[in-house]
Amino acid sequence: GDSVTQMEGPVTLSEEAFLTINCTYTATGYPSLFWYVQYPGEGLQLLLKATKADDKGSNKGFEATYRKETTSFHLEKGSVQVSDSAVYFCALWDNFNKFYFGSGTKLNVKP
Amino acid sequence: KAGVTQTPRYLIKTRGQQVTLSCSPISGHRSVSWYQQTPGQGLQFLFEYFSETQRNKGNFPGRFSGRQFSNSRSEMNVSTLELGDSALYLCASSPDYYTGELFFGEGSRLTVL
Repeated sequence: GDSVTQMEGPVTLSEEAFLTINCTYTATGYPSLFWYVQYPGEGLQLLLKATKADDKGSNKGFEATYRKETTSFHLEKGSVQVSDSAVYFCALWDNFNKFYFGSGTKLNVKP
Repeated sequence: KAGVTQTPRYLIKTRGQQVTLSCSPISGHRSVSWYQQTPGQGLQFLFEYFSETQRNKGNFPGRFSGRQFSNSRSEMNVSTLELGDSALYLCASSPDYYTGELFFGEGSRLTVL
């Protein structure tokens, strides 16, 4: 069945460092891919999405490219801020009826 | 536009009791889904409702049930609570069944003693 695997955390970075959080997926069809972010004490918020291969989703300085050949959707940001500290979830929507979430990666950004 | 509202935000129950959680979706959203979030298991899908019909169900025992009302508000119920049911229960709404974009509430934190 469909599934999402993302790197385990926590990831600890200094402010202004480069961020990469790896996400790979397994799918039988042509899914849409998402990154959601959960700030402390809050629910998840959509960060960015891509609906087909080679699409790049971007928001708030974060980017992720839908790579069908490597079945990946890695999250990147060139310069992280303390306010980016949160848990990041990679997710797959099978374009029919189900969402599959990764286990989440906690990011800690130190000043 | 008001977001997804979940009540109560926090609650403590004892084993064997039952609990009902409520979710009010964003106005106009007809799809409501529920997730259980725990540190060990991450986000696990419970069920999804659209226009008062359960369209999908995750792999949870029958103690977990839900329903959706005509105004799209949804409730989930857990009967005969177990210690392992302690979790953050998240509700998410979506404009319609096929958008694939979820809008989450802040969750209801259930502690079972």
